[in-house]
Amino acid sequence: DAGVIQSPRHEVTEMGQEVTLRCKPISGHNSLFWYRQTMMRGLELLIYFNNNVPIDDSGMPEDRFSAKMPNASFSTLKIQPSEPRDSAVYFCASSTQRSGELFFGEGSRLTVL
Amino acid sequence: AQSVTQPDIHITVSEGASLELRCNYSYGATPYLFWYVQSPGQGLQLLLKYFSGDTLVQGIKGFEAEFKRSQSSFNLRKPSVHWSDAAEYFCAVRSLLSGGYQKVTFGIGTKLQVIP
Repeated sequence: DAGVIQSPRHEVTEMGQEVTLRCKPISGHNSLFWYRQTMMRGLELLIYFNNNVPIDDSGMPEDRFSAKMPNASFSTLKIQPSEPRDSAVYFCASSTQRSGELFFGEGSRLTVL
Repeated sequence: AQSVTQPDIHITVSEGASLELRCNYSYGATPYLFWYVQSPGQGLQLLLKYFSGDTLVQGIKGFEAEFKRSQSSFNLRKPSVHWSDAAEYFCAVRSLLSGGYQKVTFGIGTKLQVIP
């Protein structure tokens, strides 16, 4: 079975540009999570979807960040406009609602110059 | 609110030596606890999990962890470390939100270096 698929794996952009990160969860998983990983702050939960509905977005840093899940097999995380402090690795993970076990993608490494 | 503390940011052990990585959690109810491993450039992979029952749980790659409720701890152990175990290790706790939804909180991670 395919795991969680993220794209792009690497993104280098300039400050002010729009960035869109994509995620395809494991088929049959109804929970999807976006995490951000930095050296300083570790793994931070940005947003959590259940059955395509955002349940907890308290971790989204500011209005420049937005996430959508239009269907069960696709989610996007958008940053507009991007800033250098957004440079990080962004992980998508999926799970069944109650198992607690997360399956992670390989991450999208974002560098904002 | 739930939280996870991993007091050791970086640990160095010799190949063949035993390993213990510490994890303390804070959560008001019975926790679901996890250890994940992250190799460079990769996502996190589940090593083992505790939901209930036997407090000593076995995982992949020869790892085990022991849940101690009285100490709010879930330490990861391996009797003999291999060079391929060099990676970053994350402890995590799952909590339930209102409505039965879940939230998984991770510790800051412990980076393991293995020397010959």
